[in-house]
Amino acid sequence: QQPVQSPQAVILREGEDAVINCSSSKALYSVHWYRQKHGEAPVFLMILLKGGEQKGHEKISASFNEKKQQSSLYLTASQLSYSGTYFCGTEIYSKYIFGTGTRLKVLA
Amino acid sequence: DARVTQTPRHKVTEMGQEVTMRCQPILGHNTVFWYRQTMMQGLELLAYFRNRAPLDDSGMPKDRFSAEMPDATLATLKIQPSEPRDSAVYFCASGIYPGEAFFGQGTRLTVV
Repeated sequence: QQPVQSPQAVILREGEDAVINCSSSKALYSVHWYRQKHGEAPVFLMILLKGGEQKGHEKISASFNEKKQQSSLYLTASQLSYSGTYFCGTEIYSKYIFGTGTRLKVLA
Repeated sequence: DARVTQTPRHKVTEMGQEVTMRCQPILGHNTVFWYRQTMMQGLELLAYFRNRAPLDDSGMPKDRFSAEMPDATLATLKIQPSEPRDSAVYFCASGIYPGEAFFGQGTRLTVV
């Protein structure tokens, strides 16, 4: 039931773009995105509540496609501070579940 | 600056001992989560409460783990007896459903 994220890991140069996908085998009604830096707690980035909704945070935005049961996180012109592990999260059958995670490393 | 406060930050204990972790959620938040994070399993939801009522604790080993919210300002997670496989970072988070969740800094538990 755990949402599957892709890619599992990605390495970028500063200024490059990246897309992280979160796919579920179950219906999604809302999706949350978090970033966790090494040794720190996860930090909430954004929530998407409606199908097709897109939201933004700094140069990070996300979309939510209910039909495809997936959400995508877009990182534009990546910065060193974007490095970390990104998780999607969602409520499935009253259980809150995190995705498998995507490790992102931005190099100078 | 509102934040979720967890105590203790670090705990080393011997197998078989009781461990109690505490969490002070952000005032006004009606949802509290307990998570466990390990390298092997990633982030796992152990339990969560809404308006102090337990909604789901299916992620917890029932024979040894218990989670409570004695009042709106305190959530506790107890392990009795603790085992080495319980070693992990335990996070508490609070939020206003279905909005964002704010995480505490975590309790790093080591059971030897």
